[in-house]
Amino acid sequence: SQQGEEDPQALSIQEGENATMNCSYKTSINNLQWYRQNSGRGLVHLILIRSNEREKHSGRLRVTLDTSKKSSSLLITASRAADTASYFCATVNNAGNNRKLIWGLGTSLAVNP
Amino acid sequence: DTGVSQNPRHKITKRGQNVTFRCDPISEHNRLYWYRQTLGQGPEFLTYFQNEAQLEKSRLLSDRFSAERPKGSFSTLEIQRTEQGDSAMYLCASSAGGVSTEAFFGQGTRLTVV
Repeated sequence: SQQGEEDPQALSIQEGENATMNCSYKTSINNLQWYRQNSGRGLVHLILIRSNEREKHSGRLRVTLDTSKKSSSLLITASRAADTASYFCATVNNAGNNRKLIWGLGTSLAVNP
Repeated sequence: DTGVSQNPRHKITKRGQNVTFRCDPISEHNRLYWYRQTLGQGPEFLTYFQNEAQLEKSRLLSDRFSAERPKGSFSTLEIQRTEQGDSAMYLCASSAGGVSTEAFFGQGTRLTVV
């Protein structure tokens, strides 16, 4: 079952611009993770933010988490053509012992040179 | 160890045939997941193992799907009597366990049922 909903579904920007993607979820979570997927390839983990954290940075990535609104955002600064990919958020909920990732539908990002 | 390995990368099969996919996780990872992904969608959870124990199976999986992880190492996913609707990318991921650990994905097996 899908939990996260990313918006926008598709985003097209020029190289050098910043890209912001949002993710909303429904249940109480333990952590939220962002992944990247190049066309036809597997997913690559980008960053994990725990429910007690509000902001996290990794290189050109900045992730925020607002548990009161059940939402997260991923900001990619100074985008590059190589950032072109689909970006997914995934949550790990607090219910039960099974800690599987629950995924959103993704944002397709195109960075034009 | 170069990461999660899935075989084959591509599989084309006729409707009604059985197919089996293999996933070799990162060796020290005790958790293994199978997901299915169709074009334009996020991954859909299929099933999950902790060591050799299959802890959860999605209601999406019909009785035609079965997964095993003998000895808690590699895993196989079998689809019997394939249907065109089974065409998708099948992704395997492993993690070291614990709630706050990332999942490492393989490149996936793309299944086309004709």
